[in-house]
Amino acid sequence: EAQVTQNPRYLITVTGKKLTVTCSQNMNHEYMSWYRQDPGLGLRQIYYSMNVEVTDKGDVPEGYKVSRKEKRNFPLILESPSPNQTSLYFCASSLDRATEAFFGQGTRLTVV
Amino acid sequence: TQLLEQSPQFLSIQEGENLTVYCNSSSVFSSLQWYRQEPGEGPVLLVTVVTGGEVKKLKRLTFQFGDARKDSSLHITAAQPGDTGLYLCAGDEIRGAQKLVFGQGTRLTINP
Repeated sequence: EAQVTQNPRYLITVTGKKLTVTCSQNMNHEYMSWYRQDPGLGLRQIYYSMNVEVTDKGDVPEGYKVSRKEKRNFPLILESPSPNQTSLYFCASSLDRATEAFFGQGTRLTVV
Repeated sequence: TQLLEQSPQFLSIQEGENLTVYCNSSSVFSSLQWYRQEPGEGPVLLVTVVTGGEVKKLKRLTFQFGDARKDSSLHITAAQPGDTGLYLCAGDEIRGAQKLVFGQGTRLTINP
């Protein structure tokens, strides 16, 4: 089954404690993205990757890092989380930037 | 300021009524997608429109891409409770960066 898998689904952490949200896709897609979803703001792109070892900033990259060492994986790293990073995060993959995006089920992160 | 403005942001109607959701921009898009998102899930693609003036139908849902490819609409006929969800439009801007741009979403509730 074609899917995008994110882990964990829920995470509560404290300010400053480094965390990683994993994302894996099994569709051999080249394009992967991370989004955060906040009420009234829709989906805002954090980072995207057009292929292995190629990543670029989206609209709201501050406080986040990503890596793309393998085609299937695109982890999101928060080196020092802060409360304003409390949000619902989605990973997505697609053949390219304009084709159908397949989304993971989301990670609800709370930073206290 | 959102590149893609959706209206209304919230809509609550009775089962059987018709409704239209709008997605507007001053930018031109090479394609525009509509997604539906249910609670606890990631967005799922409903349709992609590519040609100016294009109309696509998906059962009771009708999608239209504006002639100038700057706007789109989603019309639902005889809405059902199962249509309840968050509807998101997303566009591939012709002169934009390598990413999809999302509207802020329309939260639709269909009451039995």
